[in-house]
Amino acid sequence: EPEVTQTPSHQVTQMGQEVILRCVPISNHLYFYWYRQILGQKVEFLVSFYNNEISEKSEIFDDQFSVERPDGSNFTLKIRSTKLEDSAMYFCASSVWGEAYFGPGTRLTVL
Amino acid sequence: SQQGEEDPQALSIQEGENATMNCSYKTSINNLQWYRQNSGRGLVHLILIRSNEREKHSGRLRVTLDTSKKSSSLLITASRAADTASYFCANLSGNTGKLIFGQGTTLQVKP
Repeated sequence: EPEVTQTPSHQVTQMGQEVILRCVPISNHLYFYWYRQILGQKVEFLVSFYNNEISEKSEIFDDQFSVERPDGSNFTLKIRSTKLEDSAMYFCASSVWGEAYFGPGTRLTVL
Repeated sequence: SQQGEEDPQALSIQEGENATMNCSYKTSINNLQWYRQNSGRGLVHLILIRSNEREKHSGRLRVTLDTSKKSSSLLITASRAADTASYFCANLSGNTGKLIFGQGTTLQVKP
């Protein structure tokens, strides 16, 4: 069964450093998303991506965040200058429409 | 607020018993989805119920939807220790396919 994959599973970085989280969505899906979950809290929407552009972003998704689909298969989330409060699980998701399938997540720890 | 509210926040039952979790929104419900999350892991899609459906079954899972009350419930019958996890509802919002998650119910099934 096709699945969404994410790398790395765990990323540790120093505050102020740039990180890139990678995702490979399910191949025939058209809509791509990033969500995050701070430890013990609910899952929060960050950004949606369709037709090679951002279709919606949340208040959390400020100028330090960016997304790309550089080669038609990978979907990346870049955090330019990480802060302590960026420590969270980051989930990529993809869908045809509506029924979203999530990757296993990347645990980002900012020290 | 679009935020989903779930109750109970925590539920502890014996193996073999049924578990019921409820979810409500202040906005209209569209294509409500339920996900399971084992501790520190990814989100597993369980079931989707469309706004024109009232009830849906999948194995030991039964989901109901009441659009007039903007609420949904997830029933797990004949629970097993392996059902121990957090369960989240997620409502499709807007026209970009983003999901608004509830706070989640943490279910513990004691063997």
